[in-house]
Amino acid sequence: EIVLTQSPGTLSLSPGERVTLSCRASQSVSSRYLVWYQQKPGQAPRLLIYGASRRATGIPDRFSGSGSETDFTLTISRLEPEDFAVYYCQQYGSSPQTFGQGTKVEIK
Amino acid sequence: QLQLQESGPGLLKPSETLSLTCTVSGDSISSTTYYWGWIRQPPGKRLEWIGSIYYSGHTYYNPSLKSRVTLSVDTSKNQFSLILTSVTAADTAVYYCARLAQLVSWFDPWGQGTLVTVSS
Repeated sequence: EIVLTQSPGTLSLSPGERVTLSCRASQSVSSRYLVWYQQKPGQAPRLLIYGASRRATGIPDRFSGSGSETDFTLTISRLEPEDFAVYYCQQYGSSPQTFGQGTKVEIK
Repeated sequence: QLQLQESGPGLLKPSETLSLTCTVSGDSISSTTYYWGWIRQPPGKRLEWIGSIYYSGHTYYNPSLKSRVTLSVDTSKNQFSLILTSVTAADTAVYYCARLAQLVSWFDPWGQGTLVTVSS
């Protein structure tokens, strides 16, 4: 089973700042099979990025994804108030599909 | 707009059987394009994929849960269901249903989730 490790666990930032979140895989994952979600309190996860770098429908272009093999990154170019949430990565290139433990982006 | 809603008992005793239903609105569960799945998140732990199903009944389970899980589809009600047998406290979690683009893929969208607690 591929283990996804996200870092840092929590980020305390201010609106307008740039954010970089990391997702590291225990084995190589095809970039085609790496996705990112956003989850706000009391809400279901929302798909942000699929194929490591493709934005889902309706996702603002301040969100971007990159990476390959074992190292993937989600970047938010300028934090908006609505972006404070927990972010998860997921891989489905190897069974079973697995998730990272999440990174919380909180208001400083 | 596609919406998914989980329903089922919120409290179970150890050794009982968990049964949840996901009602799909805004799209037909018989769509040949999509698959349907279940994910759970125990308190303080990461999300865990449980299994996925196609409208025809073809299923794919997480090996760690396969011996206790059964997914099914009811196309007449536009619903799909999860059965998990012999529950323990470790099965306490928020259970989500979701749509998948393929049998194995990303999940989009998700239901709101339902908390199931296993306690004596």
